[in-house]
Amino acid sequence: SFVLTQPPSVSVAPGQTARLTCGGNNIGSDSVHWYQQKAGQAPVLVVYDDRDRPSGIPERFSGSKSGNTATLTISRAEAGDEADYYCQVWSISSSGHPEVFGTGTKVTVL
Amino acid sequence: QVQLQESGPGLVKPSETLSLTCTVSGGSVNSGNYYWSWIRQPPGKGLEWIGYISYSGSTTYNPSLKSRVIISLDTSKNKFSLKVSSVTAADTAVYYCAREYSSGRHDYWGQGTLVTVSS
Repeated sequence: SFVLTQPPSVSVAPGQTARLTCGGNNIGSDSVHWYQQKAGQAPVLVVYDDRDRPSGIPERFSGSKSGNTATLTISRAEAGDEADYYCQVWSISSSGHPEVFGTGTKVTVL
Repeated sequence: QVQLQESGPGLVKPSETLSLTCTVSGGSVNSGNYYWSWIRQPPGKGLEWIGYISYSGSTTYNPSLKSRVIISLDTSKNKFSLKVSSVTAADTAVYYCAREYSSGRHDYWGQGTLVTVSS
């Protein structure tokens, strides 16, 4: 089955940059989306279609993709960015299993 | 502003059927641009996609759950529903409903509802 692998945890100092990766076979051909989930809350879409931001999401959040690895970059990290982050792919070519979430990365702002 | 709200029992006995409903406001489940999804999250774990239904009623399910899941649409009440049969403790989770836009992004989510499977 299709698996998206994320590092379990990333730590970043306030004001610095955090880079979260998401790896999976063939995601180069599919759109990658990123969600932020704070404790006890529903996920919030922060980046879609690899690099676009929904309205209301700060420019500090940016997405990119190279080959089979997608990256969410959080610039000028703030305490309020502490959360779990999940990548997600929708792949019509993945027979019968078009939608997968990554394993999630816990971001700690030290 | 689109809003989604899950509702249903918070406690289900093993081997029984879990039933949840998602009521949509500020938008129509009849819209051809969207799918309507269910996603769950076991306590302390990650997100798992369950399946989705289109405005026309076509469904796609996670293969690992397909034999036990039914998602349906009620356009007259602007809501959609989830049924998971033969539940076990492994089905204990927070269940979210969400709107899914083109390319698979979930742009609006419900607040989630915890369903515990226990006798």
